[in-house]
Amino acid sequence: EVQLVQSGVEVKKPGESLKISCKGSGYSFNSYWIGWVRQMPGKGLEWMGMIYPGDSDTKYRASFQGRVTISADTSISTAYLQWSSLKASDTAMYYCARHIGAEVGTRLDHWGPGTLVTVSS
Amino acid sequence: SYELTQPPSVSVAPGKTASISCGGNNIETKSVHWYQQKPGQAPVLLIYYDRDRPSGVPERFSGSNSGNTATLTISRVEAGDEADYYCQVWDSGSDHDLVFGGGTKLTVL
Repeated sequence: EVQLVQSGVEVKKPGESLKISCKGSGYSFNSYWIGWVRQMPGKGLEWMGMIYPGDSDTKYRASFQGRVTISADTSISTAYLQWSSLKASDTAMYYCARHIGAEVGTRLDHWGPGTLVTVSS
Repeated sequence: SYELTQPPSVSVAPGKTASISCGGNNIETKSVHWYQQKPGQAPVLLIYYDRDRPSGVPERFSGSNSGNTATLTISRVEAGDEADYYCQVWDSGSDHDLVFGGGTKLTVL
């Protein structure tokens, strides 16, 4: 059974750094892109970017480029999303999800439960 | 960048049919996928490649894609179908992004 398990709730102050995680199991972690999706309070879904753990190839949505870093550690089947300096506007639920299908047909077939990040002074 | 337009809300009585649209320029040339998100839960893939259902998704859920509009149709609507629904495509233009529609809140009256 494919599972994505995410790290727990985070409460941070503006300017602090943060790294949240997403551990995959039940499939070949190295062979599927993992994407990150933001959902701000009461809002819709925004795709942030993705990583191919097998070679660490990474793609970012333009609006998130330079604001976050996506990485992966294949030895523990875990993907990460990190910030070097959080802002209050980073307050959101963050989901990791497995991409499946070729690029033009790619969709997210398995999702983690989400990590709630709250940034407040 | 490619944009997908969904109505913010759709209401339907139990047992009736709900249709949720997803508009995009020449969307029929793209593969459209749909997700269901119930309150407090992660999204779930509902329809892929315009009309295919993952294992476990009831046949009451169906999809179509023509011209500038893709449509998710839910037949014999149940109270448990009340959720937010999102369409999604891959934008293979200059940005190479995964794009979601703004989401539609389905209310079962």
